[in-house]
Amino acid sequence: DAGVIQSPRHEVTEMGQEVTLRCKPISGHNSLFWYRQTMMRGLELLIYFNNNVPIDDSGMPEDRFSAKMPNASFSTLKIQPSEPRDSAVYFCASSLAAGGAYGYTFGSGTRLTVV
Amino acid sequence: AQSVTQPDIHITVSEGASLELRCNYSYGATPYLFWYVQSPGQGLQLLLKYFSGDTLVQGIKGFEAEFKRSQSSFNLRKPSVHWSDAAEYFCAVASPQAGTALIFGKGTTLSVSS
Repeated sequence: DAGVIQSPRHEVTEMGQEVTLRCKPISGHNSLFWYRQTMMRGLELLIYFNNNVPIDDSGMPEDRFSAKMPNASFSTLKIQPSEPRDSAVYFCASSLAAGGAYGYTFGSGTRLTVV
Repeated sequence: AQSVTQPDIHITVSEGASLELRCNYSYGATPYLFWYVQSPGQGLQLLLKYFSGDTLVQGIKGFEAEFKRSQSSFNLRKPSVHWSDAAEYFCAVASPQAGTALIFGKGTTLSVSS
């Protein structure tokens, strides 16, 4: 298995532009998670899906952030418009279940820089 | 609400010396507990996990962790550190009830000196 695949690995964009991050979870995993990592705040859970349905989006910073999971093999995290404070590493992870009993597999992350 | 505290932001250990990374959690009952490691530019890799039973759990790469309910702690240990262990280590907690995601501590960066 190729693991959790995220694209792009790096993204540099100008303030105000739309940014879309992509994630392909491991086949057969029912839960998908988006985390954001910064020096100041560490790893923050943004949103997670169970069977393609958003379960908890309380970590999404504001309306500029949106996430979708149109099918079991693909998810996107969109920021529109982007701001410099959105600069961070965004991780996608997948698991057989949400609670961690089966472990989470993380992608390599997307490093986003908003200038 | 669940929370995780890793009191040490950065630790330096000599190669061959023992290591202990601290983790304290806040939760009303016994949660699921985890340690992950992150190498530079990489995602997180699971080292070990605790659900119930024996309070000393063994993980990959020679790591172990001990759950102490009385101290709400889940400290990570390794008897002899190798230079390749230099990385960032994250403690995480999850509620045993279904449908909740892992909450991570802010991490401890481990440097290994020769």
